[in-house]
Amino acid sequence: ETGVTQTPRHLVMGMTNKKSLKCEQHLGHNAMYWYKQSAKKPLELMFVYSLEERVENNSVPSRFSPECPNSSHLFLHLHTLQPEDSALYLCASSQKTGYTEAFFGQGTRLTVV
Amino acid sequence: SQQGEEDPQALSIQEGENATMNCSYKTSINNLQWYRQNSGRGLVHLILIRSNEREKHSGRLRVTLDTSKKSSSLLITASRAADTASYFCATDESTGGFKTIFGAGTRLFVKA
Repeated sequence: ETGVTQTPRHLVMGMTNKKSLKCEQHLGHNAMYWYKQSAKKPLELMFVYSLEERVENNSVPSRFSPECPNSSHLFLHLHTLQPEDSALYLCASSQKTGYTEAFFGQGTRLTVV
Repeated sequence: SQQGEEDPQALSIQEGENATMNCSYKTSINNLQWYRQNSGRGLVHLILIRSNEREKHSGRLRVTLDTSKKSSSLLITASRAADTASYFCATDESTGGFKTIFGAGTRLFVKA
């Protein structure tokens, strides 16, 4: 266990559904991240939060909406997704943004049907 | 954007052999990290090497960094079947910013 917990572990949703992914860390870290991992592609950084403020948004479609209500929790709200959004979504945290070790959750395997 | 690129994409060896994976990157960095990922799970941090360091050890792992060639290598000595996983390098841009950029990874398979 890395100290970063993601729920659910698996999610199947239709293209018209709305769902949310949850990430929780109790490591006292100030930075949290969402990554997307698709088959045979590098990890794609989606969002970065530092002290609950979004500091990076890597041209992610608006059907993905992050929320960071406090430094321990991070959500990724999903709506009207496409089949190509099916992937492993990984949450990570670190003491501060950049230059430090990141701790990853186990990921949520998302399938859009 | 900057990206680490691992080489080879896949590597298959016998238990007990050494495994070497390479990573190349494009711009100046502050540090380079190596991570491991078991199939379908999260990444686990292995080792971080700073731009002013040339070599670092951690157990059976040895990492080298050559900033003049913009490359790094990860050596796993005396490999075990449990080392079977994907290995990624990740870099942080020295120009500042918040990105840790990962490569596509090397898939290592260690045969018992």
